[in-house]
Amino acid sequence: DTGVSQNPRHKITKRGQNVTFRCDPISEHNRLYWYRQTLGQGPEFLTYFQNEAQLEKSRLLSDRFSAERPKGSFSTLEIQRTEQGDSAMYLCASSLVSGGFTEAFFGQGTRLTVV
Amino acid sequence: GQNIDQPTEMTATEGAIVQINCTYQTSGFNGLFWYQQHAGEAPTFLSYNVLDGLEEKGRFSSFLSRSKGYSYLLLKELQMKDSASYLCAVRDTGTGFQKLVFGTGTRLLVSP
Repeated sequence: DTGVSQNPRHKITKRGQNVTFRCDPISEHNRLYWYRQTLGQGPEFLTYFQNEAQLEKSRLLSDRFSAERPKGSFSTLEIQRTEQGDSAMYLCASSLVSGGFTEAFFGQGTRLTVV
Repeated sequence: GQNIDQPTEMTATEGAIVQINCTYQTSGFNGLFWYQQHAGEAPTFLSYNVLDGLEEKGRFSSFLSRSKGYSYLLLKELQMKDSASYLCAVRDTGTGFQKLVFGTGTRLLVSP
């Protein structure tokens, strides 16, 4: 499978715990995005990377959220001291930016439930 | 700021044609995308418009008017499997970087 892969697919955690999600983009893609989606809403932009550089962070990304993309390959999104409001689907997408049209391919997402 | 508006829900019958509208206001613009998302699944790419006009791809077509900040997705010969959410997304360059900004999505229900 050469698509975008996210792990785990589901995560249930107690409020106050830390969680970490992983995204493996399509191998030749240099751009990687994180989005959050709640029921009935469209994906909300969180942050994105061009290779290993984190170029933009949404104001939705509080200090409890941190994302990394070491070596410009896979990425991790960590949420510290989780709150019930963090419950959502976390989507990762990747694209190849080389001028012109750049379609983003999405992974299946990690569904987080904070209890 | 960014504002992307789509109808929340639409219904149509199998075999019919449906048009899903999207209006947008962004500080920068470099293309508009339509994605399809079935419940519990990831969004999948349908179409891309960066210039004004109509792009046709099989049963799906997408139209863009940059001066009006308006796009639509046209679905012909509807099938039951087309029941899904349709997401309009704009590639916003207003902050100096490019990111996809999504609308809330239009849930389409196709009935027999």
